[in-house]
Amino acid sequence: DVKVTQSSRYLVKRTGEKVFLECVQDMDHENMFWYRQDPGLGLRLIYFSYDVKMKEKGDIPEGYSVSREKKERFSLILESASTNQTSMYLCASSFRGPAFFGQGTRLTVV
Amino acid sequence: AQSVTQLDSQVPVFEEAPVELRCNYSSSVSVYLFWYVQYPNQGLQLLLKYLSGSTLVESINGFEAEFNKSQTSFHLRKPSVHISDTAEYFCAVSDWAGTASKLTFGTGTRLQVTL
Repeated sequence: DVKVTQSSRYLVKRTGEKVFLECVQDMDHENMFWYRQDPGLGLRLIYFSYDVKMKEKGDIPEGYSVSREKKERFSLILESASTNQTSMYLCASSFRGPAFFGQGTRLTVV
Repeated sequence: AQSVTQLDSQVPVFEEAPVELRCNYSSSVSVYLFWYVQYPNQGLQLLLKYLSGSTLVESINGFEAEFNKSQTSFHLRKPSVHISDTAEYFCAVSDWAGTASKLTFGTGTRLQVTL
C-alpha cells in the first residue's frame, strides 16, 4: 500500500514564525500535492510538483512556498505564519491514478 | 478549467436506508473521477474511481457510483447505510492534462447516519 507520511499531526505556531510542513511518500510517485482544508470550502490546492525541483502554483499559493529536493519528499513552507493560515493541511502523491493522502497536519497559528 | 459541485453539504439518513450523494463536474477535456471518504481527524481515503471502461464502479464496502457523461455527474449511492458510514465524502475530478494529474475537489458532503 502507498504510504504518505506527514511529519506532524498537530502544530501550534506563533504569528510571524517560519513554518515547515514535511511530507514523505514511499511509492516513487511523480506527483505530489499540498492542499488546505477548511470547513465549507473543501480542499484547495496550494502547490503541486510533478518532478524533483519542479513546482507549480495551485489555486491559493499566496503566503506559501514549497521545496522538492528529492522525489519522495515535498515540503510546504509558510514564510511568515498568520492567523488566517490556521487550517488542516493535507499532502498527497499520485502517478497516473488517484491521489493518496497523508493523515493531515492541523496547524494553529496564534 | 475544471470544477466540481457537491449539491448537498449535509445528508442525514437513518441506518439501513438508501442514500445518494450528488456530484456534478465541469471540464473541457476527458476526465477521471473519484470519491474520497474522510473520517474525523483523519486524511482522505480513496473510496472508488472511474478511469475508463464500465461507467458503474463499486467499492468494497457497498458504495457505487455511475459516470454519466451527458449529465456530467458522478453520484455516489449505497442501498443500505450503516452507522459506520458516517463521514465526510468528497468528489474529485482530474483531467490528466500535461505532466501533472491535478485533482480538483468539491466542498464535501457530510453523511450523518442515525439509528
